Amino acid sequence: TQLLEQSPQFLSIQEGENLTVYCNSSSVFSSLQWYRQEPGEGPVLLVTVVTGGEVKKLKRLTFQFGDARKDSSLHITAAQPGDTGLYLCAGVNGNNRLAFGKGNQVVVIP
Amino acid sequence: DAMVIQNPRYQVTQFGKPVTLSCSQTLNHNVMYWYQQKSSQAPKLLFHYYDKDFNNEADTPDNFQSRRPNTSFCFLDIRSPGLGDAAMYLCATSRDPGAGTQYFGPGTRLLVL
Repeated sequence: TQLLEQSPQFLSIQEGENLTVYCNSSSVFSSLQWYRQEPGEGPVLLVTVVTGGEVKKLKRLTFQFGDARKDSSLHITAAQPGDTGLYLCAGVNGNNRLAFGKGNQVVVIP
Repeated sequence: DAMVIQNPRYQVTQFGKPVTLSCSQTLNHNVMYWYQQKSSQAPKLLFHYYDKDFNNEADTPDNFQSRRPNTSFCFLDIRSPGLGDAAMYLCATSRDPGAGTQYFGPGTRLLVL
């Protein structure tokens, strides 16, 4: 079973601070996706990382895929209240299904 | 422009009363998925259609059924909703099966009284 563990489960920070959340697995994934979900809405795809060691930037968000393609991190610089949400990492498992982690709940306080 | 549309956004039903949730897509994707998401949990795949081929997850209760009359539309039927079926139901699409890049609709929040 390819499980994705996300940590921390919950993170609350002040506006302007930086934060990093993690997505770890003991299994290798061909790619990992990061989604953001706001309350009462569906997940919105932020990025797909494919190559080990890959770094992708989306404005103030930086995504990194581990060299061994087992883990990923999301770093937010100068967080804003609009960054508040549930960040879900996901990867296609051996059954060709998209497996999700439980998410990192991020709250940015103005 | 909305690409994956779900109606209604909120649905209230009574215990045991059949309910249907709908999903439509403008992406012309081959695959459509239905997920169930309960509070503070990850989305859980119920089933998916690859074109007209229906794929049920092993642990999806028989109470849940799905129909895909054409490429654009997919329905989730809950035959006899129980209190435990109250959840957010998410529809998603992808071009190919096994794709990590899926496009989600805004979800339908189901409340069972």
